[in-house]
Amino acid sequence: AQSVTQPDIHITVSEGASLELRCNYSYGATPYLFWYVQSPGQGLQLLLKYFSGDTLVQGIKGFEAEFKRSQSSFNLRKPSVHWSDAAEYFCAVGRYNQGGKLIFGQGTELSVKP
Amino acid sequence: NAGVMQNPRHLVRRRGQEARLRCSPMKGHSHVYWYRQLPEEGLKFMVYLQKENIIDESGMPKERFSAEFPKEGPSILRIQQVVRGDSAAYFCASSQGQGIYEQYFGPGTRLTVT
Repeated sequence: AQSVTQPDIHITVSEGASLELRCNYSYGATPYLFWYVQSPGQGLQLLLKYFSGDTLVQGIKGFEAEFKRSQSSFNLRKPSVHWSDAAEYFCAVGRYNQGGKLIFGQGTELSVKP
Repeated sequence: NAGVMQNPRHLVRRRGQEARLRCSPMKGHSHVYWYRQLPEEGLKFMVYLQKENIIDESGMPKERFSAEFPKEGPSILRIQQVVRGDSAAYFCASSQGQGIYEQYFGPGTRLTVT
């Protein structure tokens, strides 16, 4: 069965520190990969996506993610975290032949210490 | 460009009543997806619609739930005879095509069943 795993439910980092949020997927074919961010009480905002090509993708707000097929991973990174990055982050996977339906991970809640 | 719009943002219903959630996709988008987010969980796909067609309803509960996307007007997610377990945030997303297009999410409707 297709699945997305975000192993870390909650992460706390200090402002200015680097960040890496993990995402592993289980899929039979090449997936389309997304990271979304959700602030409390808000909808989801697309941070970045991977469809094909360069496996290191750049997104908004200084985020980047790297697709590693051998590890079935799509980890999200940011070199220096800002207090405004505190939010919940969701990794999602889709497949073209499934009509665009997205499978989401459980989410990782990020807290930022001053 | 207006984003995906959902209304109402908050909805309170008593057990046994009907809930109607509305979603207007982004301008130029003709594909709509509904997801449900239960407390402390990620988003779960419910249904995928194009104008006047249900494409994939594999995530919809078998009873009490229905969705439509008429030729004119917003997409509607209807929940009949609501129960406490229906309390959740319901998100609508839209895309401009099927498959490999990114989905843009609305702010969600938070349904509370008392």
